[in-house]
Amino acid sequence: EDKVVQSPLSLVVHEGDTVTLNCSYEVTNFRSLLWYKQEKKAPTFLFMLTSSGIEKKSGRLSSILDKKELSSILNITATQTGDSAIYLCAVEAGTYKYIFGTGTRLKVLA
Amino acid sequence: NAGVTQTPKFQVLKTGQSMTLQCAQDMNHEYMSWYRQDPGMGLRLIHYSVGAGITDQGEVPNGYNVSRSTTEDFPLRLLSAAPSQTSVYFCASSDPGQGLSFLCFGSGTRLTVV
Repeated sequence: EDKVVQSPLSLVVHEGDTVTLNCSYEVTNFRSLLWYKQEKKAPTFLFMLTSSGIEKKSGRLSSILDKKELSSILNITATQTGDSAIYLCAVEAGTYKYIFGTGTRLKVLA
Repeated sequence: NAGVTQTPKFQVLKTGQSMTLQCAQDMNHEYMSWYRQDPGMGLRLIHYSVGAGITDQGEVPNGYNVSRSTTEDFPLRLLSAAPSQTSVYFCASSDPGQGLSFLCFGSGTRLTVV
């Protein structure tokens, strides 16, 4: 059975800290790994990582895919209170098949 | 471009009532889907569609129906609401054919069944 596991489940840090969120997966037909940020409403897309693009960066956020370890990390440097959200990892495990993890709830304290 | 539009944003139903959650997208996406999100459970797929006239079941389809008569619209029907269907529902679309295999989400519908 395909599955995606995220850790930690929740995290509390102070502004300025650096955080690392983890996502591991077991799927039979890996196509891509997706990271989303979910504040109060809809998940918003952050990154897509594939075999041909294993590292992505946007501002203070960066993500790496480790295909050997079947995992990915999402790094956030110099955290701000606006980074407080649930971060979702999903794996595209075939055409139109998306498997989501349960998410990591990040709270950044001022 | 409005993206993915869901209505209503909030709804309270009594047990046994039926209702339809609306979802529309204006991006000409081939794939549309419905998820429910419950605490500690992540996003679970209810139904999906890969084009007009084509629908299929996801992980948790019981108690829900869908149809896809047009590319733009993908309504989700609750046939006889139960308290276990209290959840936040998201509609999402994508189109790998356009090189867009990541999902675009609507803003969600918070449903409470009493």
